[in-house]
Amino acid sequence: GAVVSQHPSRVICKSGTSVKIECRSLDFQATTMFWYRQFPKQSLMLMATSNEGSKATYEQGVEKDKFLINHASLTLSTLTVTSAHPEDSSFYICSAKGNEQFFGPGTRLTVL
Amino acid sequence: SQQGEEDPQALSIQEGENATMNCSYKTSINNLQWYRQNSGRGLVHLILIRSNEREKHSGRLRVTLDTSKKSSSLLITASRAADTASYFCATDAGGTSYGKLTFGQGTILTVHP
Repeated sequence: GAVVSQHPSRVICKSGTSVKIECRSLDFQATTMFWYRQFPKQSLMLMATSNEGSKATYEQGVEKDKFLINHASLTLSTLTVTSAHPEDSSFYICSAKGNEQFFGPGTRLTVL
Repeated sequence: SQQGEEDPQALSIQEGENATMNCSYKTSINNLQWYRQNSGRGLVHLILIRSNEREKHSGRLRVTLDTSKKSSSLLITASRAADTASYFCATDAGGTSYGKLTFGQGTILTVHP
């Protein structure tokens, strides 16, 4: 079946640094990718919708300058958390949509 | 915005018993999906039910949808310890938002051996 990968699966960084998370659709072309964030013991919250070749659409309350999203190809979207702070520590999950939608395994970000 | 609400928030049962989780939502939907998430892991898609469907089965799973009440239920029959996980419903409004999912708060299911 279709697989979506995320890299890295886990990252620890210092406060103030930037972290890039990749989301790849491995055997299908994803016209749209979605980025979600999940805080411990909470549900998933949609952050933004990423369409190949165009600017991402951010949900209300999500800072686009802090969470940079690039969807450069039909198989790759990246989320860059800029100037990370401890409150950005979370589980970030992407999903990729072609004819169907599949979720990636998630990336756990810890900001010290 | 987060619109889904699930109950119960936590459910603890013995192996072999049935587990029922409920989900309510607020706006019109194209489809509703149920996912499972083991602690700290990614999502596993369980089942999708479309707005024109009322019931769907997949193995030990039974999902119902009542669009007039804007609610859905997930029944897991003959539960196993391996079913222990968090379960989320997610709604897809369709249209220009097709694929954009709004998740419920989730139900933590614990199945005791």
